Amino acid sequence: DSGVTQTPKHLITATGQRVTLRCSPRSGDLSVYWYQQSLDQGLQFLIHYYNGEERAKGNILERFSAQQFPDLHSELNLSSLELGDSALYFCASSAGGLNTEAFFGQGTRLTVV
Amino acid sequence: AQSVSQHNHHVILSEAASLELGCNYSYGGTVNLFWYVQYPGQHLQLLLKYFSGDPLVKGIKGFEAEFIKSKFSFNLRKPSVQWSDTAEYFCAVNGVRFGNEKLTFGTGTRLTIIP
Repeated sequence: DSGVTQTPKHLITATGQRVTLRCSPRSGDLSVYWYQQSLDQGLQFLIHYYNGEERAKGNILERFSAQQFPDLHSELNLSSLELGDSALYFCASSAGGLNTEAFFGQGTRLTVV
Repeated sequence: AQSVSQHNHHVILSEAASLELGCNYSYGGTVNLFWYVQYPGQHLQLLLKYFSGDPLVKGIKGFEAEFIKSKFSFNLRKPSVQWSDTAEYFCAVNGVRFGNEKLTFGTGTRLTIIP
């Protein structure tokens, strides 16, 4: 158990819908990262939050948004879903800073039908 | 932009064989290097990491990796693999610079160990 909690574990939804994925970081960690894992794209970085503020943005579509709340949990919102959004979405957390390691949650498997 | 190359996509070995998985990275600055393992249906777990110091790092489950700066490489090794090592292995890098803490992953190497 990494200490990073993601909910839900599985999500099946229809095209055009909107879903919210939730991540609780390890106790004390200030950084939260979101990654998308798919067969064709591999592990892609989406976005990084540090202590409530966006620190870096990767290959995140405009239909996707995220935020980190004062209690440090984070949510990834995916809207106008398309079949191609089906993937495993991982959240990771770290203490923050330059030489820290990231711990990954179990992931949310999103299936868009 | 940083990138990571893992040249072996699928490796099949017999138990007790030695393992070496290649990883090369590209980044114009100081890096941290990582190897993660993903067992079927599970999340990514850290095997080992390199921040600085001794370029030969030891991780969990008998794995080790060597950072060769001149070759931009961070190959993963294990002298004798077990069936339980069957998994996907990812090499990752991040830049030692604020705003670039994100991990960039290689495409992964699927390791199959035959009993």
